[in-house]
Amino acid sequence: LAKTTQPISMDSYEGQEVNITCSHNNIATNDYITWYQQFPSQGPRFIIQGYKTKVTNEVASLFIPADRKSSTLSLPRVSLSDTAVYYCLVGGPGAAGNKLTFGGGTRVLVKP
Amino acid sequence: DAGVTQSPTHLIKTRGQQVTLRCSPKSGHDTVSWYQQALGQGPQFIFQYYEEEERQRGNFPDRFSGHQFPNYSSELNVNALLLGDSALYLCASSLWPLQGTYEQYFGPGTRLTVT
Repeated sequence: LAKTTQPISMDSYEGQEVNITCSHNNIATNDYITWYQQFPSQGPRFIIQGYKTKVTNEVASLFIPADRKSSTLSLPRVSLSDTAVYYCLVGGPGAAGNKLTFGGGTRVLVKP
Repeated sequence: DAGVTQSPTHLIKTRGQQVTLRCSPKSGHDTVSWYQQALGQGPQFIFQYYEEEERQRGNFPDRFSGHQFPNYSSELNVNALLLGDSALYLCASSLWPLQGTYEQYFGPGTRLTVT
């Protein structure tokens, strides 16, 4: 599975947009990019997944440039409840895709 | 609510003891994966069960074993507990095989403390 690199931590304020960039230089052709969110003492929660260009859902947007060597998770107008650890994962579909490989994640602190 | 349940919520054991953790997957899911999360780190994959067989395994010693039952629920067993086994143990359920998605549903975890 492709290795990912993301910032250790980020601070923001309520109402701001938070952008977390993840580097995955050795992403394979059939790899997808997936983001999970984890609150303290809870299991991770799937946020969004994409393959290329832009994906948007009710929670976040995911921007993937043409070379797919990086991706950016965008959280619009964050609130205090968005304080969590965000993990970027890269991997292919199928049986091997059932094995998630988490890095250290990005700790996002939203301040009032 | 993802629908994955785990028991117990918390557990305290002594070094050398054995422990069994339990997981019920989300309704309709047939695959269960187990992860270990040490404090301040990301979850680490232990192993995965489908059709009552271990399908994939991470870099964990054979002190860690598991089982999946016909109703898709699963158990994680850890023998000869070490202090370093203290962690949050997470269960995740999904469908086999994942097609174009990495969406797994995690339970709340079992906090294991080894003293």
